Amino acid sequence: GQSLEQPSEVTAVEGAIVQINCTYQTSGFYGLSWYQQHDGGAPTFLSYNGLDGLEETGRFSSFLSRSDSYGYLLLQELQMKDSASYFCAVSLYGQNFVFGPGTRLSVLP
Amino acid sequence: GAVVSQHPSRVICKSGTSVKIECRSLDFQATTMFWYRQFPKKSLMLMATSNEGSKATYEQGVEKDKFLINHASLTLSTLTVTSAHPEDSSFYICSALPIERTVGNQPQHFGDGTRLSIL
Repeated sequence: GQSLEQPSEVTAVEGAIVQINCTYQTSGFYGLSWYQQHDGGAPTFLSYNGLDGLEETGRFSSFLSRSDSYGYLLLQELQMKDSASYFCAVSLYGQNFVFGPGTRLSVLP
Repeated sequence: GAVVSQHPSRVICKSGTSVKIECRSLDFQATTMFWYRQFPKKSLMLMATSNEGSKATYEQGVEKDKFLINHASLTLSTLTVTSAHPEDSSFYICSALPIERTVGNQPQHFGDGTRLSIL
């Protein structure tokens, strides 16, 4: 079967840096994506890692270690609007995706 | 670019009604669309993969006769919840993969979701 793990909740203050980890056990792993979802809204794409290493996109960065079946999303200079749920998702061969359980980030003033 | 339109955004109807949800890729073609279901404060659960011109592939435990999927063109997939009951109430979200997608390195683009409430 396919399984992904993320912390259920993370709390941080404005301006801080927060890291959301994701570990996975899947077959046919192709890459790891990160999505943000605000309450009542649809997921929006943040970042993708197909190879080991760090991908940087503005305030958000994502890291992947295929040998460790591990990745993380790094959010810098946190803003109140970053309060949302964050999902890691594994791309499988055959173009399917499996989503992690999600991490609810609360940014405090 | 890469806009996916999902309609309707909210449906409230009586038990026994069939409800059709549309998912359209507005500015790109998509051979593959996905349908997800999401319960409050939970993750997205893949229901089925919709492929243009062929039958949908349903995930284990999803009733294909209950959730009818049609992907008749490269820009439109529909999900019909047949004879809906209160337990079908949920947030349904579609996503689409661009036709020229290289496996793995492009994101799926999500619609805004449909909140279905069955009374």
